Amino acid sequence: AQSVSQHNHHVILSEAASLELGCNYSYGGTVNLFWYVQYPGQHLQLLLKYFSGDPLVKGIKGFEAEFIKSKFSFNLRKPSVQWSDTAEYFCAVKSDKLIFGTGTRLQVFP
Amino acid sequence: NAGVTQTPKFRVLKTGQSMTLLCAQDMNHEYMYWYRQDPGMGLRLIHYSVGEGTTAKGEVPDGYNVSRLKKQNFLLGLESAAPSQTSVYFCASSYGAGGLYEQYFGPGTRLTVT
Repeated sequence: AQSVSQHNHHVILSEAASLELGCNYSYGGTVNLFWYVQYPGQHLQLLLKYFSGDPLVKGIKGFEAEFIKSKFSFNLRKPSVQWSDTAEYFCAVKSDKLIFGTGTRLQVFP
Repeated sequence: NAGVTQTPKFRVLKTGQSMTLLCAQDMNHEYMYWYRQDPGMGLRLIHYSVGEGTTAKGEVPDGYNVSRLKKQNFLLGLESAAPSQTSVYFCASSYGAGGLYEQYFGPGTRLTVT
């Protein structure tokens, strides 16, 4: 069965620090990969997605993610975080169903 | 477009009571989903629907029932609520099932069962 692992449960950064959130999945077939963000008190929104082509995907608000097939990874990055990036981030993998990771809570302090 | 809406936003139930959560979407999406979100467990799929009149079980269907009588609505029912069903429930919809099709989420319903 497919699964998604997010190893960072809680990340605390200062503004302007660089961010990398890990996401690994287990599934041998073709997958589509997503990162969703949930700002405090709000619903999930799509940050970016990968389904084919260039493994480096750019999303909204300066986020990007790189699909490394050999490592079954889809890590999320941002070179310089802002206080407004404080949120929970979910990686998700889709083959026949969309499976979510457990989420990473990011807190950014001014 | 309102997108995906959910009612109610909050609810407190006593053990054994029943209730129905309503999800509505105005995007003419075929697919609709119900998830629950629990701390440290991410989102888990309860039930989903691939079109009007159809429903299917997800990862954690026990204790829940669903109905999709109209394309735009997807109802989640709890017949006899249990404290283990205390959670935040999210509805989502998508145009299709493939990876190209993004799921759009509602604002959530926070349910507490005492």
